[in-house]
Amino acid sequence: NAGVMQNPRHLVRRRGQEARLRCSPMKGHSHVYWYRQLPEEGLKFMVYLQKENIIDESGMPKERFSAEFPKEGPSILRIQQVVRGDSAAYFCASSLRGHSSYEQYFGPGTRLTVT
Amino acid sequence: DAKTTQPNSMESNEEEPVHLPCNHSTISGTDYIHWYRQLPSQGPEYVIHGLTSNVNNRMASLAIAEDRKSSTLILHRATLRDAAVYYCILSAGNNRKLIWGLGTSLAVNP
Repeated sequence: NAGVMQNPRHLVRRRGQEARLRCSPMKGHSHVYWYRQLPEEGLKFMVYLQKENIIDESGMPKERFSAEFPKEGPSILRIQQVVRGDSAAYFCASSLRGHSSYEQYFGPGTRLTVT
Repeated sequence: DAKTTQPNSMESNEEEPVHLPCNHSTISGTDYIHWYRQLPSQGPEYVIHGLTSNVNNRMASLAIAEDRKSSTLILHRATLRDAAVYYCILSAGNNRKLIWGLGTSLAVNP
């Protein structure tokens, strides 16, 4: 049973370009969470999605960032017109149910570097 | 969101038990206590979680104080592979999202 998969593992973008990060949840999981981690810091919640729906985007910057989880295919976190401050590790997690009594399983992360 | 307080770092010797404390004095009745760990350059890994009763699994034990204002993660025999940052997190009911602090960096000496 494959775990949570993220790709790419490393992504380098120049300022102003777009970054697309993909997350395939564990088999059977329909709840996906995205987190961002700056160096030497804990993770920061960004967005929680269920298939085709954004449930909680309270941690998402208002501009340039968007997320989707279509009926078919992986969840996508999109960052438009990247800036140096977007450089970070982005982790996605999935869970079987959307309740805090259920554990979240994390992918290996995508490390975004903006030059 | 209720906050947790953990020591910045702890040290242990291999094959000895490790007790990682967490204070959460503002915990509410519906908050679950979660523990995750993160090894260097990896994604976080679920360790254990509980609500009121102590919990055991193959990785660790979770001891929850009777008033639920604190908890302790217990690694029964530390190995070098247990060296990681351990995060204690509260999550309430349908809130779902995990609010992360800085965690405790555990070093294990051979």
